[in-house]
Amino acid sequence: EAGVTQFPSHSVIEKGQTVTLRCDPISGHDNLYWYRRVMGKEIKFLLHFVKESKQDESGMPNNRFLAERTGGTYSTLKVQPAELEDSGVYFCASSQDPAGSSTDTQYFGPGTRLTVL
Amino acid sequence: LAKTTQPISMDSYEGQEVNITCSHNNIATNDYITWYQQFPSQGPRFIIQGYKTKVTNEVASLFIPADRKSSTLSLPRVSLSDTAVYYCLVGPFNQAGTALIFGKGTTLSVSS
Repeated sequence: EAGVTQFPSHSVIEKGQTVTLRCDPISGHDNLYWYRRVMGKEIKFLLHFVKESKQDESGMPNNRFLAERTGGTYSTLKVQPAELEDSGVYFCASSQDPAGSSTDTQYFGPGTRLTVL
Repeated sequence: LAKTTQPISMDSYEGQEVNITCSHNNIATNDYITWYQQFPSQGPRFIIQGYKTKVTNEVASLFIPADRKSSTLSLPRVSLSDTAVYYCLVGPFNQAGTALIFGKGTTLSVSS
């Protein structure tokens, strides 16, 4: 079974440009999460989708960030316009709905390294 | 979510057993304890999760005392490939949508 995949693995852009990151969750996983780690900081939660609906976007830093998950499959995270402080590694994770006595285990992708110059 | 405290770093030799202890004094009744492992340039990888007592899988064991205010991740006979950052997280993980809160983790360095 394929894991969570992310594209691109690394993106270098100039300040003011637009970048779109993509995440393909594990097939069948309704929950999709975005996290990021900026330089020298811990990994921070950005938002959570259940299928195509945003359930929690409390971690989104500002309105330059737009996440979508049309059709409830893959998700995109667009940064427009990018600023220097947006540089970091963006992780995507997915999980199934826990049922019964199971718990919600989040499986992470390899991340996209974003460098804004 | 409960705040966790764990060592910043640990060093070990190959073949040794490594125990990483995490403190979570404010753990709530419905909180679970989860450990993730992260290699450089990769995403965090789920290792093990537990609620109480002892949990063992093919990778590690997790020991949780009765008061649940701490937990210990045990890695048997580590190898060089176990060099990574290990994160202890606590939260109501029986509910979907719980945002994981990562601390600085414990950087484990295994040498020969």
